[in-house]
Amino acid sequence: GQQLNQSPQSMFIQEGEDVSMNCTSSSIFNTWLWYKQEPGEGPVLLIALYKAGELTSNGRLTAQFGITRKDSFLNISASIPSDVGIYFCAGQGETSGSRLTFGEGTQLTVNP
Amino acid sequence: NAGVTQTPKFRILKIGQSMTLQCTQDMNHNYMYWYRQDPGMGLKLIYYSVGAGITDKGEVPNGYNVSRSTTEDFPLRLELAAPSQTSVYFCASTQTASRNYGYTFGSGTRLTVV
Repeated sequence: GQQLNQSPQSMFIQEGEDVSMNCTSSSIFNTWLWYKQEPGEGPVLLIALYKAGELTSNGRLTAQFGITRKDSFLNISASIPSDVGIYFCAGQGETSGSRLTFGEGTQLTVNP
Repeated sequence: NAGVTQTPKFRILKIGQSMTLQCTQDMNHNYMYWYRQDPGMGLKLIYYSVGAGITDKGEVPNGYNVSRSTTEDFPLRLELAAPSQTSVYFCASTQTASRNYGYTFGSGTRLTVV
C-alpha cells in the first residue's frame, strides 16, 4: 500500500521560533492535507492542497504541494505555546478513491 | 451542528469480551471511516464505507466488523477483544471523493483490553 514518511518525529522549540516539517511518498498524490491533533481530541484539518506547486497559508501556517506530487511541507512561523500538538500529513492517491494515507505524525513541543 | 459523535469516550474490556463503538454524523456525509491510533503512531484504516449498505476493509480489519444501515451511523464491532486491540479509535466522515475536502473526525474512543 501507499506509505508516507513524515519527519521529524518530534521537535522541541522555543516560543517565537519557526518550524518546518515534511512528508514524502514513493507514490503520486492528488491531494495533500495537513492536520493537527491536540491531546484527547481527533485530528482537525489545517490546510488542504490540490495542485502541484500550490502554496497555501492559514494564519501563521504555510503548506506547499511539491512539484513532483510526491511531497509536501508545513511551516509554522513565530510559534506560540498553543501550537503544541501532533501534526499529521495525509495524502489521497490516484487510485485510492476517498481514502487518505496518513503520515506517522510530528510531535511539536513549544517551550515558553 | 454536532459533526461526528463517538461513544463511549473510554472503555475497559476484558479479553474475550465484545463491544460496539458507536459513531454518528449529522452532516449527511456519504463516506465514513474507522481508524485506530496506537501510541506514537499514525492512523491506520480499519474499515470504511462509501454509502449506506456498502462497507469495505482497510489496512487492519482483522478482529473487527462494521455495518452501515443508515447514512448517519457507522458502528464498529469487536467480537473477541484482545490486548492488541488496545488503542484509540477514531471515526471520520467526508462528503465526496471527487475533491477531498478532508475528513471530519470524532473525538475518539480510548479502549483498553486487559
